[in-house]
Amino acid sequence: KAGVTQTPRYLIKTRGQQVTLSCSPISGHRSVSWYQQTPGQGLQFLFEYFSETQRNKGNFPGRFSGRQFSNSRSEMNVSTLELGDSALYLCASSSLPRISETQYFGPGTRLLVL
Amino acid sequence: AQSVTQPDIHITVSEGASLELRCNYSYGATPYLFWYVQSPGQGLQLLLKYFSGDTLVQGIKGFEAEFKRSQSSFNLRKPSVHWSDAAEYFCAVGGNFGNEKLTFGTGTRLTIIP
Repeated sequence: KAGVTQTPRYLIKTRGQQVTLSCSPISGHRSVSWYQQTPGQGLQFLFEYFSETQRNKGNFPGRFSGRQFSNSRSEMNVSTLELGDSALYLCASSSLPRISETQYFGPGTRLLVL
Repeated sequence: AQSVTQPDIHITVSEGASLELRCNYSYGATPYLFWYVQSPGQGLQLLLKYFSGDTLVQGIKGFEAEFKRSQSSFNLRKPSVHWSDAAEYFCAVGGNFGNEKLTFGTGTRLTIIP
């Protein structure tokens, strides 16, 4: 079974631009979570989607948004990029949105904002 | 609010030596506790998890962790490390019933010397 895939793997943008990152979960998984990883703040939860509905949201500004499609693939969008948005963005999938379900992480998308 | 503290930013051990990585958590109820490992350029991989029952849990790659409620700790151990164990290790806590997002510690980077 293929793992979680994230595209693109690397991205360079400039301040003020917007970016869309994509995550394809493991086949059969319907829950997708997004995390931001930075050296200063560590791993921080962004949001979680299940059956196209956002179930949980972390403490991030409204510039960060996401969505999930009927095939469980998810995208996250960051508008008006700031230098501090430079980070590794990780996506994780699980079969159900339950803490007891193992989350499988993708390799991440590394975003650099110049 | 739930939180996780990993007091050691960086640990260096010799190959074949034993290892203990510390994790302290804060959570109002019975927590769900996890250890993840991240190798360079990779996503996170679940090593083990604790929900209830036996306080000593076994994981993959020869790792184990012990839940100590009185000390709010969930330390990760391995009796004999291998060079391939060099990576970053993250402890995480999660809740249940509406608060199921994972909160990660800041990580401990493990270096193995021959």
